[in-house]
Amino acid sequence: AAGVIQSPRHLIKEKRETATLKCYPIPRHDTVYWYQQGPGQDPQFLISFYEKMQSDKGSIPDRFSAQQFSDYHSELNMSSLELGDSALYFCASSHDGSDTEAFFGQGTRLTVV
Amino acid sequence: AQKVTQAQTEISVVEKEDVTLDCVYETRDTTYYLFWYKQPPSGELVFLIRRNSFDEQNEISGRYSWNFQKSTSSFNFTITASQVVDSAVYFCALSEAKGSARQLTFGSGTQLTVLP
Repeated sequence: AAGVIQSPRHLIKEKRETATLKCYPIPRHDTVYWYQQGPGQDPQFLISFYEKMQSDKGSIPDRFSAQQFSDYHSELNMSSLELGDSALYFCASSHDGSDTEAFFGQGTRLTVV
Repeated sequence: AQKVTQAQTEISVVEKEDVTLDCVYETRDTTYYLFWYKQPPSGELVFLIRRNSFDEQNEISGRYSWNFQKSTSSFNFTITASQVVDSAVYFCALSEAKGSARQLTFGSGTQLTVLP
């Protein structure tokens, strides 16, 4: 069965650079969620989108932005990267009309040097 | 506000022992979901179980079992006859069933190490 696809799997950036993470949800899923997991930390909710509109916002820094496109894939844009942005970034997707959990991708490991 | 507490930071057991991971949650909602995820060293989050607040029936899946007790706001996870491959960080999580969001609040995780 198709799963949530995240790209890239690994990314190394320098401070002050920009990074774009991509998430391709499970087909027919209309909702995507972004989470950030710092080293030794639990995942923290950043932001979610339902039908291409932002549905909820968590602890997402102002330097980050995200959107969901017409094909339901989502991108997380991160600017002016800081060392503290080094983390595992997870995307999850769900179908709002069904009573199921959100399915997670394998994550993108971002390292800022 | 929601909160999930996993008081056990690290647990070590010897293979074939049983181990219980504790999870206590707080929420003001009457409708919510509870989850357990496994995060092996490779980093991905592996879904184990989802339980809604109206279903207090305990569940068993192979060597895994879950004990949901609303009266104590706990959702504990037991691994029977543990194996080395069970070594991972286990997260308990809570989600409120509201609107289109299934935003998860995670506990801090329990690092389980199963020794051969």
